[in-house]
Amino acid sequence: DGGITQSPKYLFRKEGQNVTLSCEQNLNHDAMYWYRQDPGQGLRLIYYSQIVNDFQKGDIAEGYSVSREKKESFPLTVTSAQKNPTAFYLCASSTNKEATEAFFGQGTRLTVV
Amino acid sequence: GQSLEQPSEVTAVEGAIVQINCTYQTSGFYGLSWYQQHDGGAPTFLSYNALDGLEETGRFSSFLSRSDSYGYLLLQELQMKDSASYFCAVNSGNTPLVFGKGTRLSVIA
Repeated sequence: DGGITQSPKYLFRKEGQNVTLSCEQNLNHDAMYWYRQDPGQGLRLIYYSQIVNDFQKGDIAEGYSVSREKKESFPLTVTSAQKNPTAFYLCASSTNKEATEAFFGQGTRLTVV
Repeated sequence: GQSLEQPSEVTAVEGAIVQINCTYQTSGFYGLSWYQQHDGGAPTFLSYNALDGLEETGRFSSFLSRSDSYGYLLLQELQMKDSASYFCAVNSGNTPLVFGKGTRLSVIA
């Protein structure tokens, strides 16, 4: 079945450590996105990529980094520079940036301990 | 920039009809989307409006007025499982989807 997979579902990190969240899709989508969601809040865009080896910052990119070496994969690294990383992270993809529908992974809940 | 406004909470009775409004400000507008998210889950796509008017999909309908920068999601014959958060999102074509803060719908018996 085609879809978008995020792993792990739950992640705990000590302060000062970098951590990488995985996002893989087999939908053959060109565009991929990372959103952050805090309790009771909407989705805020961290980074997005329209094509392999290219990505752009979203509204809250500080303290995060991404790569897009393969069409299927768009990992997100939460660095120690991110001051408040505890949140629910959602990865999404669409056929292209203008697409009317985005498909979401099940999310990764990151907790800093 | 882009911004969307929608009510933070709505409560409705099972079997009733509820309307969730969304107003937006954006440039290069392509269309308005609606997503549903249950607690702890992923957002799922409900509908998309690019042109003025009403789009119907089963119990859910979505409306758009481009001249008023306004849309709404209409849920009919409410069921308990419809309790969730509903997000409107703007597709501008220049930037990825921009989401509103969401409306938490509680369906009560």
